[in-house]
Amino acid sequence: DGGITQSPKYLFRKEGQNVTLSCEQNLNHDAMYWYRQDPGQGLRLIYYSQIVNDFQKGDIAEGYSVSREKKESFPLTVTSAQKNPTAFYLCASSIEGRGTGGTHNEQFFGPGTRLTVL
Amino acid sequence: GESVGLHLPTLSVQEGDNSIINCAYSNSASDYFIWYKQESGKGPQFIIDIRSNMDKRQGQRVTVLLNKTVKHLSLQIAATQPGDSAVYFCAENSDFGAGGTSYGKLTFGQGTILTVHP
Repeated sequence: DGGITQSPKYLFRKEGQNVTLSCEQNLNHDAMYWYRQDPGQGLRLIYYSQIVNDFQKGDIAEGYSVSREKKESFPLTVTSAQKNPTAFYLCASSIEGRGTGGTHNEQFFGPGTRLTVL
Repeated sequence: GESVGLHLPTLSVQEGDNSIINCAYSNSASDYFIWYKQESGKGPQFIIDIRSNMDKRQGQRVTVLLNKTVKHLSLQIAATQPGDSAVYFCAENSDFGAGGTSYGKLTFGQGTILTVHP
């Protein structure tokens, strides 16, 4: 089955610890994204990657880091510098990130990871 | 203590009624729009999309209307069912970039909670 997987589903972290969230896709998509969702709110973009070995900051990148060493994987590290990390984290991918005339940017989402800081 | 946070718009309908969910977007240069459905604790699922050169698109039980003059998007769900209960997000795609390279970026709206009563 093709799709996006995120692990773990629930994650608990002590204050001051770094934690890494996994995101894997077997859709052969070039672009991958990380979003944060807080209760009762929409999605906010943390980081995105258009191709392997390249990634860009989104709207709320402070306190987060990513890597894109393989096309199918885009792990997100929540560092101790993130002051309010408790949230629902969503990973997504799209065929390509380019938005040039007529290109879709439909993003497919994983099931999410709920991170709680204790 | 009292908690303070954003409250999503809500829409309550009876099973069998038609539902209309509205969305205002901000960027007049946005060229592609998507509606997503998110059930509790899950990632968003694609419902329907529309390009900026169209003003209406129909799917199975859903219709999206686009009014570029007033930057307004709506999702109509026919014969709403209890399984349609979820949060619905609109997303707009706009191109950005420099140096001759363009990338698409999705910006998500706040979301609307749809509750369908049997």
